[in-house]
Amino acid sequence: ETGVTQTPRHLVMGMTNKKSLKCEQHLGHNAMYWYKQSAKKPLELMFVYNFKEQTENNSVPSRFSPECPNSSHLFLHLHTLQPEDSALYLCASSQDRGQSYNQETQYFGPGTRLLVL
Amino acid sequence: AQSVTQLGSHVSVSEGALVLLRCNYSSSVPPYLFWYVQYPNQGLQLLLKYTTGATLVKGINGFEAEFKKSETSFHLTKPSAHMSDAAEYFCAVSAGGTSYGKLTFGQGTILTVHP
Repeated sequence: ETGVTQTPRHLVMGMTNKKSLKCEQHLGHNAMYWYKQSAKKPLELMFVYNFKEQTENNSVPSRFSPECPNSSHLFLHLHTLQPEDSALYLCASSQDRGQSYNQETQYFGPGTRLLVL
Repeated sequence: AQSVTQLGSHVSVSEGALVLLRCNYSSSVPPYLFWYVQYPNQGLQLLLKYTTGATLVKGINGFEAEFKKSETSFHLTKPSAHMSDAAEYFCAVSAGGTSYGKLTFGQGTILTVHP
């Protein structure tokens, strides 16, 4: 596997279910991101992890719980979601090279399309 | 705070015609600017980026963009459209500082290419 992979690619869940999204990057990067892409809205940054530490939480509801056990893996745990949470969830990674991290290209996975019924 | 506005949610061109996708940004500090492309059922792929130096940036697939500070713009162009260019394009800004790679995206422009 190369690049950034995400599983599952599609997920349908009820509002009372608990599920997890998985992201894995094979690029040797140190920073990982979760984005939400909803119809007719710009991509929204949800969380940022840098060297396994969470550095950004963009006011995301607590029903979304991220986990980053190491620099290669990122999870998004979902519980008691709402229908408006249906969206494409994208994972990305980038190299963190200190002061230049904001210039770094983010590499995206194909996303998990989530439908909450 | 930073923001991005992409003018036109849909752009339609004929094959062989000029492609122009508009992006204006707002940033309180010198920005880093990116264009990403998203093909159906895929993630985003970097087309090009501006960090410092030359204001005309060349990217993949024949695309280029020019950073114009006075106009706060970073429009994407391609001289001759190809059918394979049909996709959604996103402009994004990263403003540096302690935002840890926080990209702010525009709402996207869907490019349609007609034969």
